[in-house]
Order: sequence, then C-alpha cells, then structure tokens
Amino acid sequence: NAGVTQTPKFQVLKTGQSMTLQCAQDMNHEYMSWYRQDPGMGLRLIHYSVGAGITDQGEVPNGYNVSRSTTEDFPLRLLSAAPSQTSVYFCASSYRDRTYEQYFGPGTRLTVT
Amino acid sequence: GQQLNQSPQSMFIQEGEDVSMNCTSSSIFNTWLWYKQEPGEGPVLLIALYKAGELTSNGRLTAQFGITRKDSFLNISASIPSDVGIYFCAGRGYNYGQNFVFGPGTRLSVLP
Repeated sequence: NAGVTQTPKFQVLKTGQSMTLQCAQDMNHEYMSWYRQDPGMGLRLIHYSVGAGITDQGEVPNGYNVSRSTTEDFPLRLLSAAPSQTSVYFCASSYRDRTYEQYFGPGTRLTVT
Repeated sequence: GQQLNQSPQSMFIQEGEDVSMNCTSSSIFNTWLWYKQEPGEGPVLLIALYKAGELTSNGRLTAQFGITRKDSFLNISASIPSDVGIYFCAGRGYNYGQNFVFGPGTRLSVLP
C-alpha cells in the first residue's frame, strides 16, 4: 500500500494562475479531506468528502474547489492563485467508522508570488 | 471556528528526560488524536483516544483523554533524539460530525 500520495511536492505559481493539487489513496477510505498548514496555526480544513460524488466545505474554503469522481482521488483546484494561498497543503483520508482516524499524505508546499 | 490550545508551544529537553504536553478545548470532544510531524513530512498518527479517562500507550508514548472531555495529555518517557518534531492534538466533537479540529502544535527539541 502506498497510503496517501500527493503531487507535486513543491510548486511556485504567479498570482492569478490556476493549478490542481493531486491526492490519491489506495486504502479504500470513504472520507478524504484537504488541509492547509500555516506557521503557528495548526491544520485548517479546506474541503472534505464522505464519498464519491459528495463534497462539502470546511473552515477555509474560499479560493478552492474540489470534486470527488472516484473513491481513490480527491483533487484540490486553485482557480486564481493569490499570495494568501502560500502554504503547505495536506490531504488526508480515513474510514467512515466510529474512529475517523485520519492518515496524511506528505504534503505540497505552494508558493504564490 | 473552534480552537484548540496546546501547551507548551515549544520545549527544549535533555535526552533521557520525560516530556509532558497538553491540549485543551472550550467544547466537549468525543475523540482525541495525537500526531507527530517531522520536517518536510505529513503528520503521523501516534495515539487515538475515544473515552473519557482512557489511558493509551504506544511504546514510550502515553496519552490520556481528560475526564472533563475538554482536554488531553501526551507524555513521552526517556526522550531520544528521534523524538524531535511537532506534536499536534486533534479533537472531534459531537457538533463536528466526522471533522477534526487541530491544535497549533508543541515543538519538541531534544538536546544530546
């Protein structure tokens, strides 16, 4: 099992550019989520999904879109990048059981200039 | 949104010392998770807690679910250099469904 994989590892964008951060898991987890990590602020939930075709907003969804067409994949789209979106982005997944123990990918470090 | 507080924010200890850190919330939680993050890596799950008063160990790590349901504690015994990293707590409350809220982390440095 590869677990949760994320690509790319690093990305630099110019303001206004768009891009998609990829996330995939091979554990057949129903629940997937995207977080951003900023210094001193812990992890903040951007969007999440409880299954294919179902997505919902988290704490900081503005500027980001998601879709979930398969159980395995949960891409995060930045439509028009802004410097405030400079951050480290983590994808996580879990079973939808009583625990919801989340397993994280290695992260994508995004810089918007 | 819901905030978790972690203390201390950072700590410097000598190799071999025991470490204690805690996490507090203003709301009642039904699940606590503890993660460790090393530089350039994603958080790794260390311990999960599901019941008030529960005490769970993972090697030299022991975590407890506070009886008030508003706090959790993590202890590391006989620290070693590879314990260096940031330790995060995450809590899930009855109003949050399947989502967790994360604390800002405790940064641990171990001096040889």
